Amino acid sequence: LAKTTQPISMDSYEGQEVNITCSHNNIATNDYITWYQQFPSQGPRFIIQGYKTKVTNEVASLFIPADRKSSTLSLPRVSLSDTAVYYCLVGDRYGGATNKLIFGTGTLLAVQP
Amino acid sequence: DADVTQTPRNRITKTGKRIMLECSQTKGHDRMYWYRQDPGLGLRLIYYSFDVKDINKGEISDGYSVSRQAQAKFSLSLESAIPNQTALYFCATSDRDRHYEQYFGPGTRLTVT
Repeated sequence: LAKTTQPISMDSYEGQEVNITCSHNNIATNDYITWYQQFPSQGPRFIIQGYKTKVTNEVASLFIPADRKSSTLSLPRVSLSDTAVYYCLVGDRYGGATNKLIFGTGTLLAVQP
Repeated sequence: DADVTQTPRNRITKTGKRIMLECSQTKGHDRMYWYRQDPGLGLRLIYYSFDVKDINKGEISDGYSVSRQAQAKFSLSLESAIPNQTALYFCATSDRDRHYEQYFGPGTRLTVT
């Protein structure tokens, strides 16, 4: 699995757009990029997954540049309820090297009123 | 996610006791996983199963065993519990074609005294 690097924490205010970047310099050709959200004492929740360019759903957007060595999760107009830890995972879509799957410590996003 | 249930939700046990954590899913997914999370850390993979006859070790399998009784059921056992196995345990499932789109249960908080 590709090693990922994310900021440990970020602060924002309600109503702002938040962008969280993940670096994955050794991403492989078959790897997809997946983001999860986790609230305290709850299991992570899948947010979005992508391979290249841009993916958008009702919750977030995922921007992936052409070289795929990084990705950016974009949360539009955050609210207090978006305060959570966000994890970036990179790996083979079909599960290659699952035994090495690591969520890492993620990025703690704190949204202020 | 109500589609993935874990029992018990909380458990306190003594050192040396055998304990089983159970996971059931109604999503019809082939793949199931067990993770543990320690305070302030990300999730670490204990075991995973791609189908009933395929069980694999994750990063931290020592001291744990699993049983995949059916497609919908995946149990985690601590053969002889020790205090450093005190943690939050999560079960997750995924479809084979969307491996990293995992759906997590609510977690089991285990305390070993």
